[in-house]
Order: sequence, then C-alpha cells, then structure tokens
Amino acid sequence: DQQVKQNSPSLSVQEGRISILNCDYTNSMFDYFLWYKKYPAEGPTFLISISSIKDKNEDGRFTVFLNKSAKHLSLHIVPSQPGDSAVYFCAASGFRQFYFGTGTSLTVIP
Amino acid sequence: NAGVTQTPKFRVLKTGQSMTLLCAQDMNHEYMYWYRQDPGMGLRLIHYSVGEGTTAKGEVPDGYNVSRLKKQNFLLGLESAAPSQTSVYFCASREQGASLGGQYFGAGTRLSVL
Repeated sequence: DQQVKQNSPSLSVQEGRISILNCDYTNSMFDYFLWYKKYPAEGPTFLISISSIKDKNEDGRFTVFLNKSAKHLSLHIVPSQPGDSAVYFCAASGFRQFYFGTGTSLTVIP
Repeated sequence: NAGVTQTPKFRVLKTGQSMTLLCAQDMNHEYMYWYRQDPGMGLRLIHYSVGEGTTAKGEVPDGYNVSRLKKQNFLLGLESAAPSQTSVYFCASREQGASLGGQYFGAGTRLSVL
C-alpha cells in the first residue's frame, strides 16, 4: 500500500503563473519531506525539503507547505518558467528510508 | 565532479541470466540506495546501505542481492532475472544525518528482461 501519493499525474500552467503540486501521505511518523525534479533520461535531483516540525520552507521561487493534521504537503512554484517543465516527485523520510510518490508531470506553457 | 555514476546505462537480459549493476559515488557518502522505477509506481526502494559492509532490505528486495565492500561502491545483483524485473534502476547516496539535503541520484540503468 502506497504511503506517499500524488493524485495528479499531470499539470499544465502558463508561464509566469503559479504551479501547485500536491502530495498526501499516510504515516504520521515521517521525519522529513522532500521534493525532487526529474528530466527524461536523468536521475531525480533534489529541489527542496521540510522538516516535520515546520509548516513552510522557502527557497527562491519554490515554497513547500506542510499540513500535518491533513497529512498533506504541497510545492508552489512562482513564477513558473518553461525550464520548470519536468516530473516532480514528493518523498517522505522515515528511519533511513525514503518513500516516493508516483510523480506529477508539470508542463509550463510559454 | 562525477557524483553518482551507474554502469551500465542499458542492458537486455534473457530470463534466467544474471547480472550486476554497479553504483559508484565520489562524495564520501555513508548512505547508498538502490531504487527501481516502474510506470505508475514511482521509485521503490530495493536495498540500502548505511555504511561499508552493511546492507538492509527496502520495500521490494525479493530477487535482488547487494554488496557494499567499499564505501564508494554499491552493487546490485540479479541472480536469475525475470521479466518482472524489467525496470529503470536508480542508485542514490547521501551524507549521514543529512536527510534534509536529499539524496544524489545517478542517471539510471534501463534493464529489459525478455
């Protein structure tokens, strides 16, 4: 049974607008949550993370929000750029292991 | 600055054949991981290692073995390949205690088992 879920397989956004990617998890014992970005034929690259004791972390155009009561996190990208077009994976960390969602393919339309 | 290097990049096997995938990292990381990625399944952890000489099972370890004889290398073995092991395999590494910094991934190995 999947512990981390991304229910939207794809998302299209106009350049300059906000992209919001969502992720849900089931295990309240997860310590950290992370977002990765993946281009075709490449491995995932780390984007941003948040500890379970925080509710927001910001890094430039990227902000991750964590709602522990709802077991939900989201990644906001503002403003979205064509180079942001990629597959985004959320992941949760629990005792040395990482659990990944199925990914959301983001397309930013110029 | 190579980071995490996986070899080979592509491989085709027949059912029952064996092979070893090699992962090498030059960042002196303690932790190393092997994942597989299948359509609609995300990345699933096969095995991981928290240091030289140690290994542990992840979510989907059956049919695979691993070894970490040197800190910089993590080998994934398939003793008798099955079509269900057709997948893209990713290796990753990270520093001990650096969960918030994420993992560094290799470019992947695409394996087809016929």
